Amino acid sequence: GAGVSQSPSNKVTEKGKDVELRCDPISGHTALYWYRQSLGQGLEFLIYFQGNSAPDKSGLPSDRFSAERTGGSVSTLTIQRTQQEDSAVYLCASRRRSPGGLDGYTFGSGTRLTVV
Amino acid sequence: TQLLEQSPQFLSIQEGENLTVYCNSSSVFSSLQWYRQEPGEGPVLLVTVVTGGEVKKLKRLTFQFGDARKDSSLHITAAQPGDTGLYLCAGGSNFGNEKLTFGTGTRLTIIP
Repeated sequence: GAGVSQSPSNKVTEKGKDVELRCDPISGHTALYWYRQSLGQGLEFLIYFQGNSAPDKSGLPSDRFSAERTGGSVSTLTIQRTQQEDSAVYLCASRRRSPGGLDGYTFGSGTRLTVV
Repeated sequence: TQLLEQSPQFLSIQEGENLTVYCNSSSVFSSLQWYRQEPGEGPVLLVTVVTGGEVKKLKRLTFQFGDARKDSSLHITAAQPGDTGLYLCAGGSNFGNEKLTFGTGTRLTIIP
């Protein structure tokens, strides 16, 4: 598609439930990232996928968080047993890998997750 | 851990005034990007700087990368209401590195 698409745009869930957030990157972008943004502040890195390489999971805050990327395209971020502190906007971005590696990220509009 | 501190955190000025936003770190970055984010949207890339001392201009916006590649500034001349938004700097630690470190953000409001 023309841009990065995320769904749902808003999600309200009860504490303890599992949620799945979806990201459709730009076609041909080999790198895909998940970030978390709380209260309109800076972005916290969660996980990064690059082609067929093992993902960089160093930003995942706990083992309740996991993500996968199927066929090098669509990615799903799963949060199990959600807690109130998981409430945030979850942003997905994709990036075209150029020889210089200097391309910027293209972000989706995010999923606003509220845990009640 | 690489940290990028932005200042000020909040800035509210009158239309037509000039302003500067700063992005500072104790770490060296191979590249520095600036993004602007509007409510309900993801950040949008404004510029990438890669050389120490580099200056780039984008209409009324001037971006500078510090000589030591540890800091950057964004200067806006004659601010307009359309400049309102959250400005984020982001540093890359090496060429080809795929993971950017984002700054703490500056929320800018331009009052008509």
